[in-house]
Amino acid sequence: QQPVQSPQAVILREGEDAVINCSSSKALYSVHWYRQKHGEAPVFLMILLKGGEQKGHEKISASFNEKKQQSSLYLTASQLSYSGTYFCGTVYNTDKLIFGTGTRLQVFP
Amino acid sequence: DSGVTQTPKHLITATGQRVTLRCSPRSGDLSVYWYQQSLDQGLQFLIQYYNGEERAKGNILERFSAQQFPDLHSELNLSSLELGDSALYFCASSVDPGQIDGYTFGSGTRLTVV
Repeated sequence: QQPVQSPQAVILREGEDAVINCSSSKALYSVHWYRQKHGEAPVFLMILLKGGEQKGHEKISASFNEKKQQSSLYLTASQLSYSGTYFCGTVYNTDKLIFGTGTRLQVFP
Repeated sequence: DSGVTQTPKHLITATGQRVTLRCSPRSGDLSVYWYQQSLDQGLQFLIQYYNGEERAKGNILERFSAQQFPDLHSELNLSSLELGDSALYFCASSVDPGQIDGYTFGSGTRLTVV
């Protein structure tokens, strides 16, 4: 039931782009995205409630393909501050948020 | 400061003992969630409360229990502790119980069982 994220890890230079995918084996009600820096609490980035919905947050945006049961997070022109572990969270029937396996992103100067 | 307060920040205890973790949600939030994060692992959902009532349960062990009080703060009780219970325990809160709002997380309680 836990969604699977890919890739597991990404290494970038500042200014490069990245895509993180989140796939579910079950139909999704909604998808959340969070970023967690080492030793800190996860921080909410965005939520997608409808199939096909795309949202943006500064240079970070996401899409939700309800039919394919997956979501993707797009990071453009990455900055050092983007480093951290990104988690998607999937909601199947509104009763609980299950976090994905995580993607570790490292951005170097 | 996220507005979600967790105490204590660190806890070291021996196997077989019992501990209580406390969480005060962000002002106005009625839902409280507990998650466990082991070293370099993902976030495992334990339990959710909404306005004092249990709303959803994850893979929470029978040795663990929780409650939400009338003032909306929540406590997670861990008993008969084992080495494998060592982890970071996060509390989060949100306004809506149906997962249509983002969660605000507290800074966590790091539990070490020795």
